[in-house]
Amino acid sequence: AQSVTQPDIHITVSEGASLELRCNYSYGATPYLFWYVQSPGQGLQLLLKYFSGDTLVQGIKGFEAEFKRSQSSFNLRKPSVHWSDAAEYFCAVGAGGSQGNLIFGKGTKLSVKP
Amino acid sequence: SAVISQKPSRDICQRGTSLTIQCQVDSQVTMMFWYRQQPGQSLTLIATANQGSEATYESGFVIDKFPISRPNLTFSTLTVSNMSPEDSSIYLCSVALDGETQYFGPGTRLLVL
Repeated sequence: AQSVTQPDIHITVSEGASLELRCNYSYGATPYLFWYVQSPGQGLQLLLKYFSGDTLVQGIKGFEAEFKRSQSSFNLRKPSVHWSDAAEYFCAVGAGGSQGNLIFGKGTKLSVKP
Repeated sequence: SAVISQKPSRDICQRGTSLTIQCQVDSQVTMMFWYRQQPGQSLTLIATANQGSEATYESGFVIDKFPISRPNLTFSTLTVSNMSPEDSSIYLCSVALDGETQYFGPGTRLLVL
């Protein structure tokens, strides 16, 4: 069955520290992979996506993610976290947006200490 | 990307009533989607709404409970019918641009008493 696992429910990092949010997926075909961020009271904003090609993808707000097929992972990273990064982060996998069936992980809540 | 708006942004409703949520996008799109995000949970796809055809519902969601309209390529509505407290959720619409990526509206926060 198709699934997305985000093993960390809540992570706290200090401002300026590096960040890595984990995402593992189970998908029968070549996956389309996405990271979205949801700030409190807001909708979902697309951070980055991977369809094919270079396995290291750059996104907005200084985020990047690396696709590792052998590990079925698509971890999100940021070298230096800002207080405004505090939010909930969702990893999603699908066959392509037009197919509609995006499968979301349960999310990781990021808190940032001053 | 696209500019997607939803109305209302939030509402408090009594059980047994219905609420219609509107989703407007600033460009024509073929496919629009409706998701539910229950408190503390992730997103679950309710249905896919294509203009000119019946919506396609995911397992566990039925048209009588969540009727959807898609009158044109920029607009859709989702109705939550005969509400109960278990329907308290955030309801989000999304659109597929470039055929591959979904962009989301700001969501409608619904509380059913």
